[in-house]
Amino acid sequence: GAGVSQSPSNKVTEKGKDVELRCDPISGHTALYWYRQSLGQGLEFLIYFQGNSAPDKSGLPSDRFSAERTGGSVSTLTIQRTQQEDSAVYLCASSLESATNEKLFFGSGTQLSVL
Amino acid sequence: AQKITQTQPGMFVQEKEAVTLDCTYDTSDPSYGLFWYKQPSSGEMIFLIYQGSYDQQNATEGRYSLNFQKARKSANLVISASQLGDSAMYFCAMREGNTNAGKSTFGDGTTLTVKP
Repeated sequence: GAGVSQSPSNKVTEKGKDVELRCDPISGHTALYWYRQSLGQGLEFLIYFQGNSAPDKSGLPSDRFSAERTGGSVSTLTIQRTQQEDSAVYLCASSLESATNEKLFFGSGTQLSVL
Repeated sequence: AQKITQTQPGMFVQEKEAVTLDCTYDTSDPSYGLFWYKQPSSGEMIFLIYQGSYDQQNATEGRYSLNFQKARKSANLVISASQLGDSAMYFCAMREGNTNAGKSTFGDGTTLTVKP
């Protein structure tokens, strides 16, 4: 596709269940980022991939959160044993490289609601 | 202290007029970069403009310009000739040192409403 694609667009789950969120970056983009956006707030960095490796996982809030990227392309963010405080919009972005002024391209996000 | 402060939760502007969205930042690193993003109701963040701390001139991109006042640590976004499609949330963000753009710290945003 032409842009960054995220699925599902909406996910409602019950507390304690695991969820997987998917991000399909722009073809050829080597850098991929996951963010969390709580209602009315800015973006909170979660994890960064360069190719398939994750040199920076510093933003993951707990060990219930993990992410992987395969083939230098699609990435999945997994949240285990979801809690109500995990409810947020999860955004993914990709860029051609990982540079200081690199332009990021964002997906439309996954709205996660934990009941 | 907050690294990025956007003091205007909401702003209104009349169509075709100019509007300034405020952003102040806090860093002790002499090398940094400032970004503005637009987030329409569809949710997708859209890059608008970038200003590096060593750039001599204020950045401009079409109807967007960045009023960069280094001594005051402010990086206000100016939108000229507002259009109805400019109604969205706007975020200011900063990366420090050699961190890449994707690790920027974001402000809480300003909601802009353009009135016809």
